[in-house]
Amino acid sequence: SQQGEEDPQALSIQEGENATMNCSYKTSINNLQWYRQNSGRGLVHLILIRSNEREKHSGRLRVTLDTSKKSSSLLITASRAADTASYFCATVSTSGSARQLTFGSGTQLTVLP
Amino acid sequence: EPEVTQTPSHQVTQMGQEVILRCVPISNHLYFYWYRQILGQKVEFLVSFYNNEISEKSEIFDDQFSVERPDGSNFTLKIRSTKLEDSAMYFCASSEGRSSNQPQHFGDGTRLSIL
Repeated sequence: SQQGEEDPQALSIQEGENATMNCSYKTSINNLQWYRQNSGRGLVHLILIRSNEREKHSGRLRVTLDTSKKSSSLLITASRAADTASYFCATVSTSGSARQLTFGSGTQLTVLP
Repeated sequence: EPEVTQTPSHQVTQMGQEVILRCVPISNHLYFYWYRQILGQKVEFLVSFYNNEISEKSEIFDDQFSVERPDGSNFTLKIRSTKLEDSAMYFCASSEGRSSNQPQHFGDGTRLSIL
């Protein structure tokens, strides 16, 4: 798979359930970031996890990072209909002064009321 | 909360014409970026800008593209002679400081349609 690939591609759950999305990447990274995109809108930054961190929490979000497996997961607990959106992971590599984000294809999350 | 603003929200242009997309980054941010998202595809990095010069650019960012910070608040992307394949959403982003361990904040994008 390519840098920053998420799975599943689509996920449909009931309101109140937890949603887990996974991301895999190829190169060494400085950090990994998760973004949300509502249809037709811009990307909203959710959480950044550095390469030396293993887990991070922000409200209902929990992100894990396993650099040995080059993978990350995003858990949204107690989901709401308003969480319906596309979720992307994006990595910043360690090469040079790189700050460019390399995005995955995203997971389309649908939360049913 | 401060945000990145982009204008126009939708731009329709004839092939071969020049187009300028405008962005106002968050005021105390130092790094500025342009990304694009062709319909149904991944978000792709185009260019980053710091201290009034290009910091990094991708292979997509060829001689047709240029960026400018004409004053203290605006950041523009110019496409000199547009092609059909330039049709995409163009996102501007900014980040606060020199560290790469800082989030990038995105605008809502400009939808560019080339006819």
